[in-house]
Amino acid sequence: GAVVSQHPSWVICKSGTSVKIECRSLDFQATTMFWYRQFPKQSLMLMATSNEGSKATYEQGVEKDKFLINHASLTLSTLTVTSAHPEDSSFYICSARGTASGDSYEQYFGPGTRLTVT
Amino acid sequence: GQNIDQPTEMTATEGAIVQINCTYQTSGFNGLFWYQQHAGEAPTFLSYNVLDGLEEKGRFSSFLSRSKGYSYLLLKELQMKDSASYLCAAMDSNYQLIWGAGTKLIIKP
Repeated sequence: GAVVSQHPSWVICKSGTSVKIECRSLDFQATTMFWYRQFPKQSLMLMATSNEGSKATYEQGVEKDKFLINHASLTLSTLTVTSAHPEDSSFYICSARGTASGDSYEQYFGPGTRLTVT
Repeated sequence: GQNIDQPTEMTATEGAIVQINCTYQTSGFNGLFWYQQHAGEAPTFLSYNVLDGLEEKGRFSSFLSRSKGYSYLLLKELQMKDSASYLCAAMDSNYQLIWGAGTKLIIKP
């Protein structure tokens, strides 16, 4: 149980275009979803936290107009990278917390999406 | 401020034991997580400690001392597949995870 999927697993796009990444909790309801970015050989960097039905809370330094997050249902959150640039190339990982987490508030991670902007 | 410290890299021999330490400073505390992350993959959950003491789970054990702001992950009978990064994360009073930079563990034959 507690499976989180992400789609696509990898994507290559041209500079200036937008890319949407989906994060789904497959067997539990995710009341909170987290979006992380990870550059090579670095740790996870939290970008934003989203609760179902409300606006996402962005971390300092993350542009909310560039990284659009929608958490429209208890099983789906999307991250749209708008007007992507090569410096946005990174590994984007979502995690979910909800009915499967119990008392530990454990986050369940998706497999990640590798974005390359050319 | 909130801070997590763990060594950047460690090297150990196959079949041996290794201990990865983590110290934390957070605004409030709701538990300490350890995750394993292989290169190019997402993190996978290893352990969660909220009370002082040692939690054993197969070859992996995790220890917590709340008074010292200290945790360690102990890996026994090391296998080559244990080569990975190990991430320590403390949960603060808002139930947000504060992540360490990760410890890259290199296993040699």
